[in-house]
Amino acid sequence: GENVEQHPSTLSVQEGDSAVIKCTYSDSASNYFPWYKQELGKRPQLIIDIRSNVGEKKDQRIAVTLNKTAKHFSLHITETQPEDSAVYFCAVIGGQAGGFKTIFGAGTRLFVKA
Amino acid sequence: EPEVTQTPSHQVTQMGQEVILRCVPISNHLYFYWYRQILGQKVEFLVSFYNNEISEKSEIFDDQFSVERPDGSNFTLKIRSTKLEDSAMYFCATRFTGTSSYEQYFGPGTRLTVT
Repeated sequence: GENVEQHPSTLSVQEGDSAVIKCTYSDSASNYFPWYKQELGKRPQLIIDIRSNVGEKKDQRIAVTLNKTAKHFSLHITETQPEDSAVYFCAVIGGQAGGFKTIFGAGTRLFVKA
Repeated sequence: EPEVTQTPSHQVTQMGQEVILRCVPISNHLYFYWYRQILGQKVEFLVSFYNNEISEKSEIFDDQFSVERPDGSNFTLKIRSTKLEDSAMYFCATRFTGTSSYEQYFGPGTRLTVT
């Protein structure tokens, strides 16, 4: 089945710096790659997503890049702010088994120091 | 903005008891999902549901689990005989039927505590 690996598990940056989180997946048929932000005790919130026919997508300070050949995708946050501190999860949807199963990465705890 | 709602927000039950977790999807969303998240761990897919049947399920979703949409609005997850290891946050998510967006909208979750 699909396997999703996420790195790093913890990331600490200074306010204003950039943060990059990477995920790799195993099923080349996967076709949708969302990123979620989860604050303590809250639901996961979609922050950006990308489909397999696109290589890069940007929304203000957040961007996602996808390398289908290498089967990895990355989240880039620029000009980080303390309110960006949270746990970030990548996810992979689709694949050989069908279009509905969602596999999450293990999460990255981001700390933005003021 | 419409939201997915879940009830109860917190459920405490004794081992071996049955629990039913409820979700009200956003109207015109017809794909439904249940996930669980053990404290401090990642979100785990349990099951997806479309057109009144299970589309896909994970290894976690064994015979102790079932889902249904009893009245055309609520979407429920039943755990027949709860175990201590079922203690977790359970999230419902729903998705619009069109193919223009694959975005899943998560509910606020139900915290299940099995004692």
